[in-house]
Amino acid sequence: EVQLVESGGGLVQPGRSLRLSCTASGFTFGDYAMSWVRQAPGKGLEWVGFIRTKRFAETTEYAASVKGRFTISRDDSKSIAYLQMSSLKTEDTAVYYCTRDDAGTFDYWGQGTLVTVSS
Amino acid sequence: EIVLTQSPATLSLSPGERATLSCWASQSVSSYLAWYQQKPGQAPRLLIYDASNRATGIPARFSGSGSGTDFTLTISSLEPEDFAVYYCQQRSNWPWTFGQGTKVEIK
Repeated sequence: EVQLVESGGGLVQPGRSLRLSCTASGFTFGDYAMSWVRQAPGKGLEWVGFIRTKRFAETTEYAASVKGRFTISRDDSKSIAYLQMSSLKTEDTAVYYCTRDDAGTFDYWGQGTLVTVSS
Repeated sequence: EIVLTQSPATLSLSPGERATLSCWASQSVSSYLAWYQQKPGQAPRLLIYDASNRATGIPARFSGSGSGTDFTLTISSLEPEDFAVYYCQQRSNWPWTFGQGTKVEIK
């Protein structure tokens, strides 16, 4: 059974940093790209970014709203994907979901972790 | 950026009725469109990928159609557990984008 479990969310002040983790199980992690998707309170879904597999040099893509501030990485030996968030803004407040990305289709989702950016 | 527009914003129906949800793309996405269902307090779930293919474990009452810029998600006969918010999403061009969602509520 595919499982994705996010961790690392919490309350953080504007301008500070936070790192989220996504621990995967039930599939060969290294064979899949991984994406992060967020949802602000009461709002819709927004794709945040994506990391390709080692086969594609673990290259990344990001939404314009987070480019230069967020960094996605992965550790295939531990089956973990990371979302490093820096220079956080109040508008980054959201539930952050880790997803398995099958060529742009998000076929499995974690339960999400809430990030609140507030002073 | 490709903009996806969903209609209607809210659909009020009774169990057993047919639901028809629309998604329009600002430019062609070929068949690279997916539909997701989200219930309150839960993560989204993939229903349909590549416009018309049901994901694993999705009941046959859910079907998708369309290509290019016009897409439809149909629920042939609503079950109580189908009342939720539905999102379309394209994977044709970066960045991947979602529609704003359609809420299917009990009439």
